[in-house]
Amino acid sequence: GIQVEQSPPDLILQEGANSTLRCNFSDSVNNLQWFHQNPWGQLINLFYIPSGTKQNGRLSATTVATERYSLLYISSSQTTDSGVYFCAVESSGSRLTFGEGTQLTVNP
Amino acid sequence: ETGVTQTPRHLVMGMTNKKSLKCEQHLGHNAMYWYKQSAKKPLELMFVYSLEERVENNSVPSRFSPECPNSSHLFLHLHTLQPEDSALYLCASSQWGPSYEQYFGPGTRLTVT
Repeated sequence: GIQVEQSPPDLILQEGANSTLRCNFSDSVNNLQWFHQNPWGQLINLFYIPSGTKQNGRLSATTVATERYSLLYISSSQTTDSGVYFCAVESSGSRLTFGEGTQLTVNP
Repeated sequence: ETGVTQTPRHLVMGMTNKKSLKCEQHLGHNAMYWYKQSAKKPLELMFVYSLEERVENNSVPSRFSPECPNSSHLFLHLHTLQPEDSALYLCASSQWGPSYEQYFGPGTRLTVT
């Protein structure tokens, strides 16, 4: 099956810093989603982005499908950005495969 | 609030108990999913239902039994679980087919003692 690798596994930032999270995948995809999992376990949809670039406030994402990677940018980070960021891809039949996530800690 | 609700939010059960997890979606979707998230591991897909028919069972032990009575409701019946089944169980929904976004419920944190 498709492989999904996220980097870095852990990231510690000071409030106000910018960061880039990466997701590599091993095959062509129909769907790519970025999620933020808060400390209570809720997965929050950030982006649905099988290709191209999207922006939502301080967050933006770019997927280069031909090169099989996606990037999530967080600018001016805040303590509430802390949590785990997951990339998930679908290569066939509505089945998402998740990466192992990036644990982000933003310190005040 | 994602439009997907799960109950209970927390559950502690003994290995001989029988319990059920419930998921309800208010998004008008026709596909529902159960995922398992164990500590320090990525989410693993357990079951997929499309139009109330099970279309995938990812080698899940028979002590987990899903039920989808209609397109808005999904259950996971649990019996004779093991301590290693302790995990966060997440429900999701979407439209069926490629390229549709999945939305997740808040999860049920299960502890098996």
